[in-house]
Amino acid sequence: DQQVKQNSPSLSVQEGRISILNCDYTNSMFDYFLWYKKYPAEGPTFLISISSIKDKNEDGRFTVFLNKSAKHLSLHIVPSQPGDSAVYFCAAAISSGSARQLTFGSGTQLTVLP
Amino acid sequence: EPEVTQTPSHQVTQMGQEVILRCVPISNHLYFYWYRQILGQKVEFLVSFYNNEISEKSEIFDDQFSVERPDGSNFTLKIRSTKLEDSAMYFCASSKIWGITPSGANVLTFGAGSRLTVL
Repeated sequence: DQQVKQNSPSLSVQEGRISILNCDYTNSMFDYFLWYKKYPAEGPTFLISISSIKDKNEDGRFTVFLNKSAKHLSLHIVPSQPGDSAVYFCAAAISSGSARQLTFGSGTQLTVLP
Repeated sequence: EPEVTQTPSHQVTQMGQEVILRCVPISNHLYFYWYRQILGQKVEFLVSFYNNEISEKSEIFDDQFSVERPDGSNFTLKIRSTKLEDSAMYFCASSKIWGITPSGANVLTFGAGSRLTVL
């Protein structure tokens, strides 16, 4: 049961270029999406989120795009920096109703090469 | 920056032994969670806790698991009789409010995790 899927386990990008991390979901009840970043030996830290009423949310170098019809979201990092190297988790939630926990994808290891 | 702290960072135990993982959530947070990540797999929800009782739990959270808030600061996860498949990184998280609001006000803050290895 993989309601949230990140099909690319790893991604390498040159410093200064754009990093695009992708995420697909199957549960149409999800109406809120988040990206978490995780460094080794640390817990996931919140990065950026988007509600299903929007199709784009931007915060500095980070932009999340949501395509509801395709049940797809992506995280764009531009320009990429070596400090962005981490595992990025996509997560989804249902903001109303009884199910309020986060459903995570399996993560994508981003490596930004200097 | 307030943080969620977890102990131990790594525990090795024999199959069948009881394990208690401890967490100190952020002090003004009211909602507490346990997630786990088996090596190479996704982070999975285990349980959420509020007002001294379980609010939600997943199918993973069977009778072998229990949670407790024994005092005003700690939040613990107990595994009564560990199995090999319990080997994972266990993350505690806390939040100020319940769930995800449409405005996005709520975000879970995670601890660094406790790695459990069952031999």
